[in-house]
Amino acid sequence: DIQMTQSPSSLSASVGDRVTITCRASQGIRNYLAWLQHKPGKAPKSLIYGATSLQSGVPSKFSGSGSGTEFTLTITSLQPEDFATYYCQQYNTYPRTFGGGTKVEIK
Amino acid sequence: EVQLLQSGGGLVQPGGSLRLSCAASGLIFSSYDMTWVRQAPGKGLEWVSGITGGGSSTYYADSVKGRFTISRDNSKSTLYLQMNSLRIEDTAMYYCATARLDFWGQGTLVTVSS
Repeated sequence: DIQMTQSPSSLSASVGDRVTITCRASQGIRNYLAWLQHKPGKAPKSLIYGATSLQSGVPSKFSGSGSGTEFTLTITSLQPEDFATYYCQQYNTYPRTFGGGTKVEIK
Repeated sequence: EVQLLQSGGGLVQPGGSLRLSCAASGLIFSSYDMTWVRQAPGKGLEWVSGITGGGSSTYYADSVKGRFTISRDNSKSTLYLQMNSLRIEDTAMYYCATARLDFWGQGTLVTVSS
């Protein structure tokens, strides 16, 4: 199975900050990577698919990059509604696998 | 508007069974591969199972293989997860979603406890 390693597992940031989250795959997954946002009590929300493509309706403050084994999610100008847990997921092969998550907290 | 409406969760004893349902609307259901994802209390997201649009291929996480069965009825636009031999560690919020994760159900809580 492909292991997805996210870092950091948590971070503290201030409103207006830019944050970057990294996801590393244990083997190449081409660009078959999604990023999701998850808030307590709600269903997860897809932000990015194909490593770099923004889902419809997602603001351009979210961006993804990478291919192969190294990927990043960048959030610019952090706002209160962005504080959540973020996950990557590979969909190159079955079983699909998620990263461990990155909890973005208010500093 | 796409909606995935889940039902079927609840409290069950270890060794028991439950069937989750996920009724879809607003999309051509048979065109979508579907998946189940869960989140145990205090843990991250875990992919559980997936099924192709026509239902001919199914996939499972090792943690549920041989105990859970994913299926779909495209005539009813409904996805199912039959869960047998439930264990305490299967306690989680279960979500159905399109395989590309662009649409999600609201989640249903499964609690396995004696």
